[in-house]
Amino acid sequence: AQSVTQPDIHITVSEGASLELRCNYSYGATPYLFWYVQSPGQGLQLLLKYFSGDTLVQGIKGFEAEFKRSQSSFNLRKPSVHWSDAAEYFCAVGAGEYGNKLVFGAGTILRVKS
Amino acid sequence: GAVVSQHPSRVICKSGTSVKIECRSLDFQATTMFWYRQFPKQSLMLMATSNEGSKATYEQGVEKDKFLINHASLTLSTLTVTSAHPEDSSFYICSASRSSQAEAFFGQGTRLTVV
Repeated sequence: AQSVTQPDIHITVSEGASLELRCNYSYGATPYLFWYVQSPGQGLQLLLKYFSGDTLVQGIKGFEAEFKRSQSSFNLRKPSVHWSDAAEYFCAVGAGEYGNKLVFGAGTILRVKS
Repeated sequence: GAVVSQHPSRVICKSGTSVKIECRSLDFQATTMFWYRQFPKQSLMLMATSNEGSKATYEQGVEKDKFLINHASLTLSTLTVTSAHPEDSSFYICSASRSSQAEAFFGQGTRLTVV
């Protein structure tokens, strides 16, 4: 069965510093991979997705992620964090026949200190 | 773009009553919709998969008689929480997908509080 591991429950970074959020997945074939962001009390916003092709994916708000098959990873990065990036981030893998049934990781809460 | 609208965004109900949540795809036909639940400070867990015109498929541990799902048209799925109890208080969020595409688009979510 598909699974997603986000090993960091909380991460705190200084504003302007770089960020990397880790995500490891378990899936037999080439996965569909997603990163979502959720602000407190809000819904999900899609940051980026990987279906195939270039393993470095650019997303919104300056985020990028790199798919590494050998490491079963899809880590999210941002070169310079802004205070408004403070939120919870979810990595997800697409399951089901069309990969649109998502299995989510536990989430990582990002805190940004000024 | 693909827009999914969920209504209501917040609802408070009394214990023992039923609550209906709607999930609409506004600009595309969604043959498949998914319902997720997120308990406070936890991740999202899939509850059920809803295909237009057929019975929903529930994940293990989800009571189908308590969480009634109807997907009667290509643009609307509803989740009814029957005889709600405080432990059903949660954030419910739907997603909708064209069957031939991998991406599912999420609604804004519904925060249910049962008092």
